[in-house]
Amino acid sequence: KAGVTQTPRYLIKTRGQQVTLSCSPISGHRSVSWYQQTPGQGLQFLFEYFSETQRNKGNFPGRFSGRQFSNSRSEMNVSTLELGDSALYLCASAWDNYGYTFGSGTRLTVV
Amino acid sequence: GENVEQHPSTLSVQEGDSAVIKCTYSDSASNYFPWYKQELGKGPQLIIDIRSNVGEKKDQRIAVTLNKTAKHFSLHITETQPEDSAVYFCAANTNAGKSTFGDGTTLTVKP
Repeated sequence: KAGVTQTPRYLIKTRGQQVTLSCSPISGHRSVSWYQQTPGQGLQFLFEYFSETQRNKGNFPGRFSGRQFSNSRSEMNVSTLELGDSALYLCASAWDNYGYTFGSGTRLTVV
Repeated sequence: GENVEQHPSTLSVQEGDSAVIKCTYSDSASNYFPWYKQELGKGPQLIIDIRSNVGEKKDQRIAVTLNKTAKHFSLHITETQPEDSAVYFCAANTNAGKSTFGDGTTLTVKP
């Protein structure tokens, strides 16, 4: 079966711009989680959606937001980009709360 | 909030030897403990997981043990092979699908 698909794979943005990242979960999976991965901070939880509802949110500023559509596809948005937002953004999906499958991520570079 | 400590940060073993990675969690509400393997340029891949009602789980050369009283869980890899070289992450989850990750262990298996 198809895995978790994240688009785009690479992205370069300028400070102050906004960006939208997309995640298509495995078919049938209802839960989608987002993580930020950086060398200094490791894997940090952003938020999790289950059947279009945000169930959990991590400790990130309000510039980071997300949503989930009725087909379980999810997007995350970062507004007013800062240099420190440069990271690998990972999406993971699962049918319920267990056995998450990760995508390959979107590498965001802010210049 | 939850805190997960992972040790060691780097581990080098000879091919055929065993490798052990240990994690400690702080939130007694955590009830699911997955382990991930991440190779360069890829997202984390779930390799084994354990729920809080189980003390040990094994899958071929990989095993995980959980001590709920001490809030410790460990990954054991036997008969290591060069292709086991990667970064390994432990995580602790609550019911709501939020994972808190350890900082990772870079495992190098020397042929």
